[in-house]
Amino acid sequence: SQKIEQNSEALNIQEGKTATLTCNYTNYSPAYLQWYRQDPGRGPVFLLLIRENEKEKRKERLKVTFDTTLKQSLFHITASQPADSATYLCALDITGTASKLTFGTGTRLQVTL
Amino acid sequence: DADVTQTPRNRITKTGKRIMLECSQTKGHDRMYWYRQDPGLGLRLIYYSFDVKDINKGEISDGYSVSRQAQAKFSLSLESAIPNQTALYFCATSDRSPGDASNQPQHFGDGTRLSIL
Repeated sequence: SQKIEQNSEALNIQEGKTATLTCNYTNYSPAYLQWYRQDPGRGPVFLLLIRENEKEKRKERLKVTFDTTLKQSLFHITASQPADSATYLCALDITGTASKLTFGTGTRLQVTL
Repeated sequence: DADVTQTPRNRITKTGKRIMLECSQTKGHDRMYWYRQDPGLGLRLIYYSFDVKDINKGEISDGYSVSRQAQAKFSLSLESAIPNQTALYFCATSDRSPGDASNQPQHFGDGTRLSIL
């Protein structure tokens, strides 16, 4: 069955380092992939969308890559700060219905001083 | 004011009660969604609506019903609540797009924490 995999273990990194989070998916090849940030007790907030014909997308300190051959997206935060600590979710259409997103379970990032 | 507002923010109730969670939005979006979030399971889609006359079941619709009263309002009901419906519930909206809904960002409310005893 189609599924999305994100590392369920928390990622702990030191301030100033680059954080890299992974999103893997199976079967269906989506045309778009999205990344969200979720803080405790809050709803997810949209960060970036990347299209299948884009290898890389950047927004300030954020960078997303999309490898449709590997069925993988990488999410990078450069020069990470404690304020970047949150859970990051990837989302894509894995059903092929073009009508809804399926979200990964998210990876919690903890940036320490 | 928040663009997507959910009420109530917290609710504790008993098994068998009827519960309604409400969502209203000021973004002018046609598309609205209801999700539940459980630890380790992530966000799962309950129902979604592409306009007032279009309601669709999501991944886990059993035990739930919805009503799209207007473009801006989408409510979720639990007709007879049971303990395993205890979860964090989110409403989201997205703008219309030609063809593929997955190319539009979704905008979430801050959720309703529902506990069923």
